[in-house]
Amino acid sequence: EVQLVESGGGLVQPGGSLRLSCAASGFTVSSNYMSWVRQAPGKGLEWVSVIYSGGSTYYADSVKGRFTISRDNSKNTLYLQMNSLRAEDTAVYYCARDRRVAPPLGYYMDVWGKGTTVTVSS
Amino acid sequence: SYVLTQPPSVSVAPGKTARITCGGNNIGSKSVHWYQQKPGQAPVLVIYYDSDRPSGIPERFSGSNSGNTATLTISRVEAGDEADYYCQVWDSSSDPLYVFGTGTKVTVL
Repeated sequence: EVQLVESGGGLVQPGGSLRLSCAASGFTVSSNYMSWVRQAPGKGLEWVSVIYSGGSTYYADSVKGRFTISRDNSKNTLYLQMNSLRAEDTAVYYCARDRRVAPPLGYYMDVWGKGTTVTVSS
Repeated sequence: SYVLTQPPSVSVAPGKTARITCGGNNIGSKSVHWYQQKPGQAPVLVIYYDSDRPSGIPERFSGSNSGNTATLTISRVEAGDEADYYCQVWDSSSDPLYVFGTGTKVTVL
């Protein structure tokens, strides 16, 4: 069964750091584009970051320079290192598998984890 | 950056048809995907590439995309369809690469 399970969320003070993990089963993380998407309390979905199968990484402006996406192929796990956290980073963080049929068609997210909650507060 | 605008809410009686719009500049030239999110749950893909349905999604869910508006249509609405719905596009030349719509809360009366 294809599945994603996030972990690592919690309460952290402003300026602090946290690393989120997303363990995949049923498919290979390194063969896919993988994204992090977040949802602040009562708000909509916001794309955060993506790592391509080739290793290229991209970020939303709101997290650029503070967050780093990576993966461990041996553990089939995706990560999001979050530094210099701010109150506005408080959200549920989802990891998702990105898919497309073929270029130039766009990517969509066909598998999502249940999410992990990050709260930034003093 | 590219903006996708959705109505905040849509109300529909059971058995009727709900239409949720997603407006964006020349969105008809892009592929649009739709997600359903129920309270406390992760999003679920319900439509991809404008009108394709993943396996397990009822035929009652359909989509279209033309001009400046994409539309998700839910026919014969059921109580279980009550949820938030988000449209999404991807554009390799855009920043950010992935854009979600503002979201629409569908209420079944």
